[in-house]
Amino acid sequence: AQKITQTQPGMFVQEKEAVTLDCTYDTSDQSYGLFWYKQPSSGEMIFLIYQGSYDEQNATEGRYSLNFQKARKSANLVISASQLGDSAMYFCAMRRYKGGGSNYKLTFGKGTLLTVNP
Amino acid sequence: NAGVTQTPKFQVLKTGQSMTLQCAQDMNHEYMSWYRQDPGMGLRLIHYSVGAGITDQGEVPNGYNVSRSTTEDFPLRLLSAAPSQTSVYFCASREQGTPLEAFFGQGTRLTVV
Repeated sequence: AQKITQTQPGMFVQEKEAVTLDCTYDTSDQSYGLFWYKQPSSGEMIFLIYQGSYDEQNATEGRYSLNFQKARKSANLVISASQLGDSAMYFCAMRRYKGGGSNYKLTFGKGTLLTVNP
Repeated sequence: NAGVTQTPKFQVLKTGQSMTLQCAQDMNHEYMSWYRQDPGMGLRLIHYSVGAGITDQGEVPNGYNVSRSTTEDFPLRLLSAAPSQTSVYFCASREQGTPLEAFFGQGTRLTVV
């Protein structure tokens, strides 16, 4: 079974500084995808960034980058130049690509609450 | 605006009542799914659909039914609500052929008393 672990229940960062949110995953599959979502206090889920297990380059999307270390099974999210609007819950998730129903399930971690201080 | 629309946003039910959470998307996405989010936990998959007429169970399907008569709509039915179903429910959709599940609805906060 797949498992996502986010070991930081809460993180604090000063505005304009960079922050890394940790995510480790457990799977025996070779083909899978890793996702990060942001959930602000308003409750919606906002997709941030995606990394495929066969992608050689780390994914980047604006101020977000994914530090993918396949051998260590980690997929940490790096937010550069934090802004007050980055304060939110962040979820790491994984989907396996093995065929059948398992392709449709996203397995989520428990989340990290990020607070950006002015 | 295009996207995934969930209704209602908030609902209070009494134990044993039934109700349907509505989900609609206007992006012609084949794949739609329902998740629930409980405190201290990430989202968990309830049911999903890969197209009109095709549905399947996810991780926590008990107590819920779904149907997919059209591409646009994917309602979630609670047949006999229980306090354990108090949660926030999210509907999501994605395009066929992409790995991304990038489109989520705003969520429905359900309380069963």
